Amino acid sequence: NAGVTQTPKFRVLKTGQSMTLLCAQDMNHEYMYWYRQDPGMGLRLIHYSVGEGTTAKGEVPDGYNVSRLKKQNFLLGLESAAPSQTSVYFCASTWKNTGELFFGEGSRLTVL
Amino acid sequence: AQKITQTQPGMFVQEKEAVTLDCTYDTSDPSYGLFWYKQPSSGEMIFLIYQGSYDQQNATEGRYSLNFQKARKSANLVISASQLGDSAMYFCAMREGRGAGGFKTIFGAGTRLFVKA
Repeated sequence: NAGVTQTPKFRVLKTGQSMTLLCAQDMNHEYMYWYRQDPGMGLRLIHYSVGEGTTAKGEVPDGYNVSRLKKQNFLLGLESAAPSQTSVYFCASTWKNTGELFFGEGSRLTVL
Repeated sequence: AQKITQTQPGMFVQEKEAVTLDCTYDTSDPSYGLFWYKQPSSGEMIFLIYQGSYDQQNATEGRYSLNFQKARKSANLVISASQLGDSAMYFCAMREGRGAGGFKTIFGAGTRLFVKA
């Protein structure tokens, strides 16, 4: 059972380049989330989705866009990468409001 | 506004002793859930325990218990009989209900726990 899969696991970008992180879950979960983790700051919510076709802004949405065209996939896009977006990105999903989050393994992004 | 605060950047505990990790929260939504996660040095996130805002009893899961004090807006994690494998980063998280927050789940900054032999 794959659970939550993030691709790619590692990526190095130059300032100004664009990229998309893909999160795929095979558990039929309604809710999906994108976080970034930086030292000393915990996990900060970027965007989230409560169902197919819906997205909402989190705590730090600037510089990122998301899409949830299919229930199982949640894409995180960086249109013009900046060094401040160097971070570890986690995707997570859950099936109900009281359910725990299931996390992907994380994607380490470095912007030079 | 929804907010989670963990005021202990690092904690030390002797093996086999109990330790309490602090978490306070703020929300205007009467319906919310509180979670604790563990992140070992390997990086994965491990769910530990959940407490709903309407739950009358404090949640317990094995050696983990959640000391829920609703009036004080605190949700401290208690780990009993600490083990060396408990050395990790611990995060408190909150998800609001169907109000304005709309199932948003946010995390605190975390507490790094060191268990000494």
